[in-house]
Amino acid sequence: ETGVTQTPRHLVMGMTNKKSLKCEQHLGHNAMYWYKQSAKKPLELMFVYNFKEQTENNSVPSRFSPECPNSSHLFLHLHTLQPEDSALYLCASSQVSGGNYGYTFGSGTRLTVV
Amino acid sequence: KNEVEQSPQNLTAQEGEFITINCSYSVGISALHWLQQHPGGGIVSLFMLSSGKKKHGRLIATINIQEKHSSLHITASHPRDSAVYICAVTGGYGGATNKLIFGTGTLLAVQP
Repeated sequence: ETGVTQTPRHLVMGMTNKKSLKCEQHLGHNAMYWYKQSAKKPLELMFVYNFKEQTENNSVPSRFSPECPNSSHLFLHLHTLQPEDSALYLCASSQVSGGNYGYTFGSGTRLTVV
Repeated sequence: KNEVEQSPQNLTAQEGEFITINCSYSVGISALHWLQQHPGGGIVSLFMLSSGKKKHGRLIATINIQEKHSSLHITASHPRDSAVYICAVTGGYGGATNKLIFGTGTLLAVQP
């Protein structure tokens, strides 16, 4: 375990379903991130939360809705997804201070939309 | 053109060989990261550097800020080093400065 825990590890959902991905860290980090990794493409930033406030939304469709209730937890709520949203969704955390940011990644949730 | 470019995209080596993976970037950065991703998806941070050279076991990372270039070296490679190696940068280019921009990754296979 890296210190960043993601659940579930695997998720299969229909296009009309609503589901949520969960990320939890107890490293004392004050920034959390969602990244998407599609097949044969570089990792893409989705959202950044610094001190529980969203500071970056990388033009993500509204069918993805993040929630950060506190600095240790991050959710990604999913609804009416498309098959092209099938990907590995990775959560990460870091300590934001002084310009140097050490990242810790979770193991990811492998999402399949059918 | 990606802001972070890696080469080669695929690399096959024999056990024991010295391996080099290169990364070039075109933006101003505060730090460069080397990450390792094994099959199954989890990512491990290997190095974060903003100047000079770092060494951890058989892994060495260097960065040349003037040339906007970094290299990851693996000495005495082993089949367990087989993974995707990803270069990423953080910097002050607008928006949240602590976000990572990733290269496309280098798929390394070390054969026994």
